[in-house]
Amino acid sequence: AQKVTQAQTEISVVEKEDVTLDCVYETRDTTYYLFWYKQPPSGELVFLIRRNSFDEQNEISGRYSWNFQKSTSSFNFTITASQVVDSAVYFCALNPPYNQGGKLIFGQGTELSVKP
Amino acid sequence: NAGVTQTPKFRVLKTGQSMTLLCAQDMNHEYMYWYRQDPGMGLRLIHYSVGEGTTAKGEVPDGYNVSRLKKQNFLLGLESAAPSQTSVYFCASSSPRQGAGYEQYFGPGTRLTVT
Repeated sequence: AQKVTQAQTEISVVEKEDVTLDCVYETRDTTYYLFWYKQPPSGELVFLIRRNSFDEQNEISGRYSWNFQKSTSSFNFTITASQVVDSAVYFCALNPPYNQGGKLIFGQGTELSVKP
Repeated sequence: NAGVTQTPKFRVLKTGQSMTLLCAQDMNHEYMYWYRQDPGMGLRLIHYSVGEGTTAKGEVPDGYNVSRLKKQNFLLGLESAAPSQTSVYFCASSSPRQGAGYEQYFGPGTRLTVT
């Protein structure tokens, strides 16, 4: 079975704190992709990052970084020096490419609240 | 280049009424999807299409029908709306790219309330 679990339903931090959003996935496929999307209060879904299963290099983009560990089936997302504008719901998603139609399997989402 | 658009943005229906949600994309994508988003449940796939004239069921297809008569459009129909279909509906499209999987591009969403 394929599944994505985001165990943290809600996280609240104070501005400038670092925060890590956890994502654990299950799949039997050897080739797959993982995504993170951001959903700000305005409601749209914003693509943040894509990672394929053969690339375990961590990635950093400004204040955002992602830690992919196949050994623990995790793809965690860290925001450094959080800002109020980071307040949003964040979704982790699994895309098994050999699954017909390229469907995304989403986690339940983590609502991040950054207070000034 | 508008990307993925959805019509309407908001709608209120009475139980038993019918309606159609329209999704349009101008990126020439092969694949299109309809998801619903409910609190605490993430996005769940309703139906999807891998090409013009083809549709398939997703995780939660009951109570919905879809059609893909043109490559750029994907319609989601509710024949007899029920309060359990109150949700936010997202349309998405994608095309497979080597080394990139199926990155999906999402529309702005339609907020539907069934009373």
